[in-house]
Amino acid sequence: QKEVEQDPGPLSVPEGAIVSLNCTYSNSAFQYFMWYRQYSRKGPELLMYTYSSGNKEDGRFTAQVDKSSKYISLFIRDSQPSDSATYLCAASNSGYALNFGKGTSLLVTP
Amino acid sequence: GAVVSQHPSRVICKSGTSVKIECRSLDFQATTMFWYRQFPKQSLMLMATSNEGSKATYEQGVEKDKFLINHASLTLSTLTVTSAHPEDSSFYICSAPSGTGDTQYFGPGTRLTVL
Repeated sequence: QKEVEQDPGPLSVPEGAIVSLNCTYSNSAFQYFMWYRQYSRKGPELLMYTYSSGNKEDGRFTAQVDKSSKYISLFIRDSQPSDSATYLCAASNSGYALNFGKGTSLLVTP
Repeated sequence: GAVVSQHPSRVICKSGTSVKIECRSLDFQATTMFWYRQFPKQSLMLMATSNEGSKATYEQGVEKDKFLINHASLTLSTLTVTSAHPEDSSFYICSAPSGTGDTQYFGPGTRLTVL
């Protein structure tokens, strides 16, 4: 079993929809949680970073971590076609050894 | 955020040749950098940890004699794929930890195609 599980999708939503992306993890020692966005043939871009449990909001993006259930979420409000990409969750007990999910492919249709 | 660059962005080579990929931290120093490989529609897989001034640490199953890593300075790490074969064709991405060490910034990746 991978330490971080993520449904690869694809997920298709209409423009303006609220998108919910989720991951689960198995290692209770993980303290650092990240969401990366990766466009085709590009390197991952750090979107959100959260330490321990809680919520973090940045514009249209909200990251949530529930350590009791080992659940990581990313919400995208008012989704745009430019949000179409693969979203990777990652978890770590430091910033060094990142454990990635498989990535969820998101398509936002106009 | 911090900027990490990679060069080249794309390389095509013949089977049996060696290819060098550079990873640079542009506005910060990185004593540690990471090299990942990503196959189509797959997640990133950590290959090795590059340490400035010492030997790289390789993940299980990664051949250290095939994937040579040199971390020559606090801003540069290189990955050399020696005697490349078609199965080495992949997307190679490097990263460097943030100043606080609690997350990583990734380079734009290098697409290697071995004919």
